[in-house]
This record gives sequence, C-alpha cells and structure tokens, in this order.
Amino acid sequence: AQKVTQAQTEISVVEKEDVTLDCVYETRDTTYYLFWYKQPPSGELVFLIRRNSFDEQNEISGRYSWNFQKSTSSFNFTITASQVVDSAVYFCALSEDSNTGKLIFGQGTTLQVKP
Amino acid sequence: DAGVIQSPRHEVTEMGQEVTLRCKPISGHNSLFWYRQTMMRGLELLIYFNNNVPIDDSGMPEDRFSAKMPNASFSTLKIQPSEPRDSAVYFCASSDAGIVQETQYFGPGTRLLVL
Repeated sequence: AQKVTQAQTEISVVEKEDVTLDCVYETRDTTYYLFWYKQPPSGELVFLIRRNSFDEQNEISGRYSWNFQKSTSSFNFTITASQVVDSAVYFCALSEDSNTGKLIFGQGTTLQVKP
Repeated sequence: DAGVIQSPRHEVTEMGQEVTLRCKPISGHNSLFWYRQTMMRGLELLIYFNNNVPIDDSGMPEDRFSAKMPNASFSTLKIQPSEPRDSAVYFCASSDAGIVQETQYFGPGTRLLVL
C-alpha cells in the first residue's frame, strides 16, 4: 500500500537559516510520481514540484531544492536562506502509475520562519 | 489564465441542511478531483472524474455525499443532510491527465462549518 510520511510536524527557524523538510514514501510500483505543495496561512494549496520515479536528479529552483533518493525512498525539500514568507504548511504527496489520479498526501510539516 | 474556481469560499449551515459546493476546473483539463482537509485526517481524496465520468469514489464517506460533473467545466459536491462532522475545507483540483499522472492544481477551497 502507498504511504507518505512527514515525520516533522512543526519546524521553527530564524530568518536566513536553511531548513530541510523530510518526506519518506512507500510504494510497490516502479513508476510513480512525487509532489510537494505549499499551503500558506491563506489556505490555498500551491504546487511546487513534480518528480517521476525515473528522474533522480536533484532540482533547484531559486532558494528551493529537492533531493530525491530512491535507495532511501525519500524526497526531501530544502529551503535556503529562509524568509518569513516561507512560513506555511508543506505537503509531500505520492501518486502511483497504477492508480492514476489518486494523490496520497503526507500529514504536512508546519514551517515557521521567525524574523 | 484562470485557475480552479470554487464557490462559495465559506459556508456556514445548520445540521440537517443541504450543502452544495461548486467547482470550475482549469479550461482544457480533463480530470477533476474533490478532496477534504481536516485536522484529524489531513487531506483525503473523496472522488475523481476523468472526462466527466466518475472513476474512483471510494473516498466518499457515505451516502450523504454525492458528486456530479455534468460537463467539462463544472462539478458539484453535495452533502445532504449535513452533519457537524462534515465541517472541513473542501478542495477541488484539476489536471490534464492522460496516460501519465500529471500535476493537480488546486482551487482556493471552500471552508464549511456545520453547526
């Protein structure tokens, strides 16, 4: 069965610190997709990244970077030089190729960036 | 381009009343998803449609919940009769899904409170 675990419930950092949000997943499929979404205090869910299981290259987008490691079934998200506007709940999600359409979400990590 | 549109944004109703939530997906997207977010259960998929046809409704909690998609640009989620435990944020999402699992883009959500 598919499952996504975000063990960190809450993280608090001071502005300009780097922070890594962990995501561990379980799946029996060889083809699957991983996602990160951001939910700011306003409540909407904002798409950040999508990764397929055949692409283990790390990705960087500005201050955001993602580290995908199939060997440890992890898809971690790092924010470099955090800012107050990064304060939000971050969700990792999994979709299996055999179960197209179904996004399984982790419980989310609440990130608080203090000035 | 317009994103996913949901209405109403907020709904307060009394137990036993009928509630109808509405969603307009992104133009051109062929898949539509309804999710519910609660503190206890996190984000969970209720039902999804592909080309207006319900594909998986295994997440619909009970017969009080029903969803329709009469055309490619409109879907409704109805709860009748509503109960206090239905209080949650309901998200609609859409994607341009085909053979491959594509990214789901979320609407702003409807915050439902059943008194």
